[in-house]
Amino acid sequence: DVKVTQSSRYLVKRTGEKVFLECVQDMDHENMFWYRQDPGLGLRLIYFSYDVKMKEKGDIPEGYSVSREKKERFSLILESASTNQTSMYLCASQVGTGGGGNTEAFFGQGTRLTVV
Amino acid sequence: GQNIDQPTEMTATEGAIVQINCTYQTSGFNGLFWYQQHAGEAPTFLSYNVLDGLEEKGRFSSFLSRSKGYSYLLLKELQMKDSASYLCAVGHNTDKLIFGTGTRLQVFP
Repeated sequence: DVKVTQSSRYLVKRTGEKVFLECVQDMDHENMFWYRQDPGLGLRLIYFSYDVKMKEKGDIPEGYSVSREKKERFSLILESASTNQTSMYLCASQVGTGGGGNTEAFFGQGTRLTVV
Repeated sequence: GQNIDQPTEMTATEGAIVQINCTYQTSGFNGLFWYQQHAGEAPTFLSYNVLDGLEEKGRFSSFLSRSKGYSYLLLKELQMKDSASYLCAVGHNTDKLIFGTGTRLQVFP
């Protein structure tokens, strides 16, 4: 079974802190994604990566950065956490298709981040 | 840009059939996904359509019309456990995966 593991289920951080959310997948997938999920807004794509050291902005990248130094790990960084970044963060991984087709994405269990 | 629309909430009765619609406008379309998400849990994959037509998988079926930018998820013989959010997502030829806001389905006895 594909396993996507997020480092924390719940996290509480203070405004202005630098926050790292980690995601690890064990299926050698090329693509990895970070979403945030808020009531009434659905899943919104923050960043995705299609290969090591490669990244693309999603729809809401402001206030976030990402790092993919190894294929299995994709980190989301909140440079200076703010209260409007309180949310559920979901990581997903997917076999890369090179644009030739699309495959199922597998999700981690999510990290509920509260910024106080 | 892209735009994905689906109803916010739907209700249905146990044993009934429900159809959840999704319309989209996007460039570089490369398939449409449906995911199920129970409260407090991660989304799980239900179906994928890249060609026009109906794909059937047990009690769930998914339909796609690329020319109309339209898909639906059909759930038959509804069960209480089908109460969940159903997320429509569009795949792109860049491998980007964009979700709609989701439809919360409540099934009543």
